Order: sequence, then structure tokens, then C-alpha cells
Amino acid sequence: EAQVTQNPRYLITVTGKKLTVTCSQNMNHEYMSWYRQDPGLGLRQIYYSMNVEVTDKGDVPEGYKVSRKEKRNFPLILESPSPNQTSLYFCASSIRREGGEQFFGPGTRLTVL
Amino acid sequence: QKEVEQNSGPLSVPEGAIASLNCTYSDRGSQSFFWYRQYSGKSPELIMSIYSNGDKEDGRFTAQLNKASQYVSLLIRDSQPSDSATYLCAVTGTASKLTFGTGTRLQVTL
Repeated sequence: EAQVTQNPRYLITVTGKKLTVTCSQNMNHEYMSWYRQDPGLGLRQIYYSMNVEVTDKGDVPEGYKVSRKEKRNFPLILESPSPNQTSLYFCASSIRREGGEQFFGPGTRLTVL
Repeated sequence: QKEVEQNSGPLSVPEGAIASLNCTYSDRGSQSFFWYRQYSGKSPELIMSIYSNGDKEDGRFTAQLNKASQYVSLLIRDSQPSDSATYLCAVTGTASKLTFGTGTRLQVTL
């Protein structure tokens, strides 16, 4: 089954404790992206990647890191999480290089205390 | 001005009616336009894409694009309670960057 998987689905952590949210897709897509979704602000792009070893900042990259060492994986790293990073996070992938038609993962609900 | 604007709603329509969802965008060079549906607590799901002026129909859904007016809409015919969700408009601008609107919440009433 074609899918984007994210882990963990739910995470409660404390300020400053480094964490990684994994994302994997099995569709051989070139494009992958991370979003956060907050009430009233909609989906905002954090980082995206058009190919292996190629990553670019989205609209809200501060406080986040990503890497794309393999085509299928695109982990999101919070080196020192803060409460304002409490949000719902989505990973997505697309066969289109500009990322138009995106398949989304199930989401990760992160709470930073 | 927001890059992609939608009325947040809720838009309430009776079952069987036509729901009309609207979206405007600011980048005149935008080329690709998408509608995603998001049920509460779930991830967005692509339901329509449109690339040229005019209408595109898929089942009960019709996407309409007017680049001159920088306007894209989604019509849902014979609305069903299962259509109740938030509908996100997304646009790929001149920098090939996909930008989402904040979504319109649709409620289909019995």
C-alpha cells in the first residue's frame, strides 16, 4: 500500500530535550516536506526536499533541522524544543518536483512542556 | 495580504444542495491549484487539481479556475454529511512553492 508513515504519532516532551520525528514514504517520490498546523494559521511549511541531499527552508524553519540521506526518509529534528513548537506536524511527499500533489502522513501531535 | 485566502466558515449547506467553496490567491504567476479535504483530526487528502482556466469535473466535485481574477473554487454537488470537513486550497506560485490557505469548514446538515 502506498503510504507516508510518521513516528511517533503522539509525543509529550519537555523543553530542551532533543527529539526526532521520522517520516518515510514507499512511493519513490522525489519531493518531501514537513508542515506544522496550528489553529487559525493553517498549514505552514517548515522544510522541504526536492531530492536526496537537497533541502530548503520553508516558511517557518527556525528551531528545526532536517536531513535527506535516503530518498524514502525525511526526519524532522528539534534540537532544543520549546513550548511554541507544540503543534500538529505532517510529513508529505509528492511525485511532482514542485510538490503540488502531495500525499500526507497521519500526523504527529507534539506537546512541549 | 495573505498569499492564499479562504473564508474560514463554517459554510452550512443542507444535504443534497451544492456547496461552493472559494479561494483567491495573490501571485499572478501561479500555475497549479489544488483542493485538499481534511477531516477533523486527520491528515489532508488531495481531492482535485486544476492547471488551466475553466472547469474540471470529477464525480460530484468540480474545480473552477479563473487566472485573470486570481480565483479558484470548488463545487460539491449533492452534498452529503460525509462531505463535512475542512477544505484547503493550495497554490503553487512562481517560485514553485506550494502555499496553503487556512481552509473553509463545511457543514452538511440533514
